[in-house]
Amino acid sequence: GESVGLHLPTLSVQEGDNSIINCAYSNSASDYFIWYKQESGKGPQFIIDIRSNMDKRQGQRVTVLLNKTVKHLSLQIAATQPGDSAVYFCAENNAGNMLTFGGGTRLMVKP
Amino acid sequence: NAGVMQNPRHLVRRRGQEARLRCSPMKGHSHVYWYRQLPEEGLKFMVYLQKENIIDESGMPKERFSAEFPKEGPSILRIQQVVRGDSAAYFCASSPLLATTDTQYFGPGTRLTVL
Repeated sequence: GESVGLHLPTLSVQEGDNSIINCAYSNSASDYFIWYKQESGKGPQFIIDIRSNMDKRQGQRVTVLLNKTVKHLSLQIAATQPGDSAVYFCAENNAGNMLTFGGGTRLMVKP
Repeated sequence: NAGVMQNPRHLVRRRGQEARLRCSPMKGHSHVYWYRQLPEEGLKFMVYLQKENIIDESGMPKERFSAEFPKEGPSILRIQQVVRGDSAAYFCASSPLLATTDTQYFGPGTRLTVL
């Protein structure tokens, strides 16, 4: 289930289950959105992106959904694996090339 | 094709010293961005540079912080007279072209600790 800890919200899932990570963005003028994965001690790693003229985009085991009406973005990971354990950030691009990052969600995969 | 490179990976400074963080963008990328990350938080934009030009520095503190991206060599983020509150991870990203849909690729970061 999902819980809010002292810092980052944490999502715990069983290995093999699907994961859904949610993000609310702030600027209705944003036209480009990205999901990044960050492992401990490393830089953010690009996962998948979506433009504002789309509402769904699929990659390998990942799907991003965009709901512009409620300014909501989600990342779905199919058949979650231990290697998926990380912190996931959504980011929006709304002013030039500056990315605005969300607060992040920690995904923990239980074997 | 090497990714974005940053050095040093870890930097320890005493209060009042200067910190210099370097970033080499991916080959073919001419746009560099610096972000700061505090523990358990998202990244915060600091500055966006092209070769020899600062495009957007709206996220840079007004004092002690400066950035450059010279014609030759890496981009440098410089913090003068560091204070404990400067302790954070500093990430550099690069992208190839000026377009809002250009993906920014991040380096491994420099973790600055101010004693």
